Amino acid sequence: QSALTQPASVSGSPGQSITISCTGTSSDVGGYTYVYWYQQHPGKAPKLMIYDVSNRPSGVSNRFSGSKSGNTASLTISGLQAEDEADYYCSSYVSSYSYVFGTGTKVTVL
Amino acid sequence: EVQLVESGGGLVQPGRSLRLSCGASGFTFDDYALHWVRQAPGKGLEWVAGISWNSGNIAYADSVKGRFTISRDNTKKSLYLQMNSVRVEDTALYYCAKDQAAGSGYYWGFDYWGQGTLVTVSS
Repeated sequence: QSALTQPASVSGSPGQSITISCTGTSSDVGGYTYVYWYQQHPGKAPKLMIYDVSNRPSGVSNRFSGSKSGNTASLTISGLQAEDEADYYCSSYVSSYSYVFGTGTKVTVL
Repeated sequence: EVQLVESGGGLVQPGRSLRLSCGASGFTFDDYALHWVRQAPGKGLEWVAGISWNSGNIAYADSVKGRFTISRDNTKKSLYLQMNSVRVEDTALYYCAKDQAAGSGYYWGFDYWGQGTLVTVSS
């Protein structure tokens, strides 16, 4: 159960688009459509932003989108806003009721 | 409103035991799988353990297997984590999290999280 690999940091200017990658293996990201993205602001609990690779829960802005190719999933934030500055974690289903998280990416809005 | 409230954290010596609890409200508790996720100070998220709606399926991270036990009491709408033989590296904020999808066979991520309870392992 090794953590999924994410870049430590990604930055962009307001209005720009950024993409965060999440690399796993065929046993997790590559083996299932069950990939998730969570947003965490400092001192707060994580918030589910994307599930099943590309689905957004009710209430999540359509500026957030997800995709997957092989063992790598990606989260794209379009029209970057100051409120998007946070830590982002990918996650994948591994087996029955078992999951793995990514190493986390700090998004900075310049 | 869905609420998950963790309790039971505190300072514990290495090798000792601690039991965390998570009280739930605002949803049909026995319809959903639940999980414990932890976050060491300044570090990332780590999934710890998960339990199905009827306790028929349970899973653990390798880092806690054999030391931690997850359980639930649907009559009390509560989730538990029994932590035995704790180690310094178990120091973290422990979150209780709820599956988004009811029942089994759907894995749609964790849609509600508590605010966490802090466990500090130190002599």
